[in-house]
Amino acid sequence: AQRVTQPEKLLSVFKGAPVELKCNYSYSGSPELFWYVQYSRQRLQLLLRHISRESIKGFTADLNKGETSFHLKKPFAQEEDSAMYYCALVGFQGAQKLVFGQGTRLTINP
Amino acid sequence: GAGVSQTPSNKVTEKGKYVELRCDPISGHTALYWYRQSLGQGPEFLIYFQGTGAADDSGLPNDRFFAVRPEGSVSTLKIQRTERGDSAVYLCASSLPGAADTQYFGPGTRLTVL
Repeated sequence: AQRVTQPEKLLSVFKGAPVELKCNYSYSGSPELFWYVQYSRQRLQLLLRHISRESIKGFTADLNKGETSFHLKKPFAQEEDSAMYYCALVGFQGAQKLVFGQGTRLTINP
Repeated sequence: GAGVSQTPSNKVTEKGKYVELRCDPISGHTALYWYRQSLGQGPEFLIYFQGTGAADDSGLPNDRFFAVRPEGSVSTLKIQRTERGDSAVYLCASSLPGAADTQYFGPGTRLTVL
């Protein structure tokens, strides 16, 4: 079964502190992993994907197949990072759908 | 260009009524997806269209839910005999064919069943 787990519903850190949003997944094959973000009053949008190995807005995420994790990290949080973050996967076995975690609400305190 | 649009943005209905939710995808996107997001949860897949046909409807919760895309562009999600548990935000997304990894989401329709 495909499943994405985000163990923290809420995460609060101070501006300038490091941030790590946890994501674990279960999938029998080799999925593609993503982080989506939803800022206040905006639509859900793609933040980054593991395949492109890029840093977006200072965020990075490394796929760890051994631990089946895809944690999102940023060394120095900014107030504009406050948002809902969703980890998601797409399976490579023909399934054309995103499977999302429950989401983590990140709040950056000034 | 214009993104994915959804109408209405909010819909309040009474238990037992019928509702239709509309999605207008990005021009040229032949793949269209519907998701449902209940309070405090992540989006859950409902149905995926490739062109006019439903390629995967495995996420539809029961036969009260139905979706169409007659001309391969606009899609309508139809819910019969609505129940209070149907209250959620219904999200639509679209992508180029075979590009499930690059889905663009609409703003959603918030459905409230009283």
